[in-house]
Amino acid sequence: ILNVEQSPQSLHVQEGDSTNFTCSFPSSNFYALHWYRWETAKSPEALFVMTLNGDEKKKGRISATLNTKEGYSYLYIKGSQPEDSATYLCAFISGGGADGLTFGKGTHLIIQP
Amino acid sequence: KAGVTQTPRYLIKTRGQQVTLSCSPISGHRSVSWYQQTPGQGLQFLFEYFSETQRNKGNFPGRFSGRQFSNSRSEMNVSTLELGDSALYLCASSLGQGPSGEQFFGPGTRLTVL
Repeated sequence: ILNVEQSPQSLHVQEGDSTNFTCSFPSSNFYALHWYRWETAKSPEALFVMTLNGDEKKKGRISATLNTKEGYSYLYIKGSQPEDSATYLCAFISGGGADGLTFGKGTHLIIQP
Repeated sequence: KAGVTQTPRYLIKTRGQQVTLSCSPISGHRSVSWYQQTPGQGLQFLFEYFSETQRNKGNFPGRFSGRQFSNSRSEMNVSTLELGDSALYLCASSLGQGPSGEQFFGPGTRLTVL
């Protein structure tokens, strides 16, 4: 059973502040890592798909980095806004993909105005 | 382009019954995956279908099964329902370019087993 850990479980951030959180995954047999944002009453929405060690991806104020050798990825949000409030999920895929996506339990982010 | 649709959105069943959930992927997407979301376990992968064939399977009992039709629409069936099957069931479609492909999720079906 693959273990994907996300920390912290929840986070309260003041509007305008920057924040980051972590996804840890097995460092062996890496294939890909996904990040999703899941807002209340909506469907999970893909943010990034990362496949290469050292990858850095950016979408607006959100960016992510990937270290496959040590088994972690960081998600950064710059200048948090209330609309960033959501649960952020990472999902790991091991080589071959036979186990599908293994999701972490998410980081629940609340932006306080 | 229309998104992923799932029917029904809500369902109440009793223990021992069976249930069938439906998922229509984004037009042109050939891969459909199913996930179960529970408060304790988070999102868990059930199975993936591609071109009418089950390509990958998660660690769920045989009571959970699925199929995919030639138009890529997929159904998931759960037989002999148990209380623990109460969950949000999400399907996601992708172009089918392998497990690194971005998944597009539907709104989910909320199943309650009494």
